[in-house]
Amino acid sequence: DGGITQSPKYLFRKEGQNVTLSCEQNLNHDAMYWYRQDPGQGLRLIYYSQIVNDFQKGDIAEGYSVSREKKESFPLTVTSAQKNPTAFYLCASSYRQTSPYGYTFGSGTRLTVV
Amino acid sequence: GQQLNQSPQSMFIQEGEDVSMNCTSSSIFNTWLWYKQDPGEGPVLLIALYKAGELTSNGRLTAQFGITRKDSFLNISASIPSDVGIYFCAGQLSGGSQGNLIFGKGTKLSVKP
Repeated sequence: DGGITQSPKYLFRKEGQNVTLSCEQNLNHDAMYWYRQDPGQGLRLIYYSQIVNDFQKGDIAEGYSVSREKKESFPLTVTSAQKNPTAFYLCASSYRQTSPYGYTFGSGTRLTVV
Repeated sequence: GQQLNQSPQSMFIQEGEDVSMNCTSSSIFNTWLWYKQDPGEGPVLLIALYKAGELTSNGRLTAQFGITRKDSFLNISASIPSDVGIYFCAGQLSGGSQGNLIFGKGTKLSVKP
């Protein structure tokens, strides 16, 4: 079955450490996205990529970095520069950026920094 | 960036009651989508709407694409405990530079058995 997989489900890190969240899709989608979700804040766009080897900053890119070396993969690194990294992170993909079918989301990674 | 105004922010209802929520914007959309997010999971698409005035149902859920193309509504009839979660609206702007989907902030639904 096609889908989008995020791993791990739960991640704990010490303050000051970089951490990378994995996102893989086998839907043959061109576009991929990373969102951050905090209670009551809705979904805030961190980075998105419309095609391999290209990506753009979203609304809250500071303290995050991404790469898109393969169509199937869009890992997110939360760097030590991110002031409040504890959050629920969601990865999504779509056929293309303006797909009428919307986005398919992964099941999320909950990051806790202590 | 662009925002969708989704209301209410939260709802506490009794099992069996009907639920209504909506999203509004000052911009025109050519697609409206409704998602549900179960606790600790990613959002899942419930209903997609593509034409002004369109009314679409998915079981006990009914959604409408507003005539002005600036709003959308979601109704849930005869709520049950598994309806608990956060419901998001999302829209695709009309026009040449459509960009990414725009999401509302969500309506958190709690159902008392």
